[in-house]
Amino acid sequence: LAKTTQPISMDSYEGQEVNITCSHNNIATNDYITWYQQFPSQGPRFIIQGYKTKVTNEVASLFIPADRKSSTLSLPRVSLSDTAVYYCLVGRDNYGQNFVFGPGTRLSVLP
Amino acid sequence: SQTIHQWPATLVQPVGSPLSLECTVEGTSNPNLYWYRQAAGRGLQLLFYSVGIGQISSEVPQNLSASRPQDRQFILSSKKLLLSDSGFYLCAWALGPSGEQYFGPGTRLTVT
Repeated sequence: LAKTTQPISMDSYEGQEVNITCSHNNIATNDYITWYQQFPSQGPRFIIQGYKTKVTNEVASLFIPADRKSSTLSLPRVSLSDTAVYYCLVGRDNYGQNFVFGPGTRLSVLP
Repeated sequence: SQTIHQWPATLVQPVGSPLSLECTVEGTSNPNLYWYRQAAGRGLQLLFYSVGIGQISSEVPQNLSASRPQDRQFILSSKKLLLSDSGFYLCAWALGPSGEQYFGPGTRLTVT
């Protein structure tokens, strides 16, 4: 089981780029990295997933260094609506203890 | 398109009463199904997952149980609720073990 460590909270201002780093020192060879976003009283929503190097979609970018012991979720030009909790998950599949939601990072975007 | 439903949205139940929460998925076949619980201000705790009809894996010892009577139906039950069962219950589905999970709207359960 690859344990992840994220900052508990972060503050940012509208229009800024936000980078949230997740540490996963014990990541296994077959594990991939997935990020979810959760708004209050809603279920989490998938943001992005990657295995190595860089992945980009219309919402975010995910940077994974060569040793894969950490990853960084990058949110470009955040807005107030990006205020949410962001979860980093590491696992080879979404069964049971292979895929664990930690406490996440609470991002607050200020005007 | 796929849709996931959960009901009820909110529920207040006395200690010792039974529980039945239902989750259904539309627009897909043979999904993996999951039940999570989230305590206030905490992360999600995986309770059960299912890879097929009648196949249930339990992740945490508790007084809850799950059943999957149909391909796209997942039910969370308890015979006698405890105060500690209060929380936000989320159902999710995924296509395969490595696919992203799609979450339902959740049920907020308060045990009094």
